[in-house]
Amino acid sequence: SAVISQKPSRDICQRGTSLTIQCQVDSQVTMMFWYRQQPGQSLTLIATANQGSEATYESGFVIDKFPISRPNLTFSTLTVSNMSPEDSSIYLCSVETEGLYEQYFGPGTRLTVT
Amino acid sequence: GDSVTQMEGPVTLSEEAFLTINCTYTATGYPSLFWYVQYPGEGLQLLLKATKADDKGSNKGFEATYRKETTSFHLEKGSVQVSDSAVYFCALGSGGSYIPTFGRGTSLIVHP
Repeated sequence: SAVISQKPSRDICQRGTSLTIQCQVDSQVTMMFWYRQQPGQSLTLIATANQGSEATYESGFVIDKFPISRPNLTFSTLTVSNMSPEDSSIYLCSVETEGLYEQYFGPGTRLTVT
Repeated sequence: GDSVTQMEGPVTLSEEAFLTINCTYTATGYPSLFWYVQYPGEGLQLLLKATKADDKGSNKGFEATYRKETTSFHLEKGSVQVSDSAVYFCALGSGGSYIPTFGRGTSLIVHP
């Protein structure tokens, strides 16, 4: 199994600012994923982060708003740019496991935008 | 496209009560099915899985059976504990993507 940590665990930010969330894994993984979990909603995949190439974004998410870095096989960052209250959510990173469709998740970053 | 439908929560039970959380799915082909659990303040953890029809996944006293004829994967536990209070997500995986499709989650609250 993989152990995933995220920083920060929570933050309160003002609208118009940006926040960078870090995701660290204790082993090398090929694929890392970033999700958004809005209150009372399911998980929505933002993008897949691959080392050495640009992230692949899902419909409705763009690089200018959610830039992602993946400098190596154990680390990734997600930036939430020019934030608005609608960005208030929990942001989760995850990695693939040995099992197809199974993922390990980090503890999440709870973001509140005022 | 693929989708997962879960019963709405919260589900509120007394300790030692029987639990059922309903999950039905729509998918092409033969998906793998999963239940994830999210304890307060934590990320999701895989609870159990089933990869083909009639398989039963089980873990920590929880069970779910893959029913192809009813396209269902209901989660059950015979006697819940306060520590089972969490949000439970049903999910499926199919096709060539590595990405599972998640349901909306069902909150379970267990009172002493």
